[in-house]
Amino acid sequence: AQSVSQHNHHVILSEAASLELGCNYSYGGTVNLFWYVQYPGQHLQLLLKYFSGDPLVKGIKGFEAEFIKSKFSFNLRKPSVQWSDTAEYFCAVISNQAGTALIFGKGTTLSVSS
Amino acid sequence: DTAVSQTPKYLVTQMGNDKSIKCEQNLGHDTMYWYKQDSKKFLKIMFSYNNKELIINETVPNRFSPKSPDKAHLNLHINSLELGDSAVYFCASSHTGGSGANVLTFGAGSRLTVL
Repeated sequence: AQSVSQHNHHVILSEAASLELGCNYSYGGTVNLFWYVQYPGQHLQLLLKYFSGDPLVKGIKGFEAEFIKSKFSFNLRKPSVQWSDTAEYFCAVISNQAGTALIFGKGTTLSVSS
Repeated sequence: DTAVSQTPKYLVTQMGNDKSIKCEQNLGHDTMYWYKQDSKKFLKIMFSYNNKELIINETVPNRFSPKSPDKAHLNLHINSLELGDSAVYFCASSHTGGSGANVLTFGAGSRLTVL
């Protein structure tokens, strides 16, 4: 069965600091990978996704993520965070097999102080 | 127009009651989902429907019964509510093929509080 683990439960940064959130998944086959963001009191929004091709994917709001197949990882990065990036970040994975659903990690709370 | 809309947004009820949450999407997607987000923000898949047919049914008590009258709607009915059912329930939808496959669009969530 697929699973997703996010290493950081709560990350606290000052504005302009660089961000890297870890995500590892376990599944031996082909997967699609996602990062979603949930701003306080809001629904989940897609930040970026990886299906195939260039393992470095760029998303909205200056976020990027790198898929490293050998490490089963899909870490999220941003060179300089802003106060408005304060939110919950979820890594998610789905296999390419029919009848499977998107599985989420437990989330990382990012708090950015101005 | 809201792409995935859920009603009600908030629901407060007593233990033992029966309640429903409705979801509608106007994106033309063929797959819809219900996720439960607990107090620790963990998101867990409950059900998935493709073209009105149930394709995923995770380990969910049979007090929870989804219904999809057409591919644009997926409702969730909960019988005999328990304290542990308190959570935020998110509806989502996606295509199953093409470039948008597996990219879920979420509704705003329905916060259920069982007293």
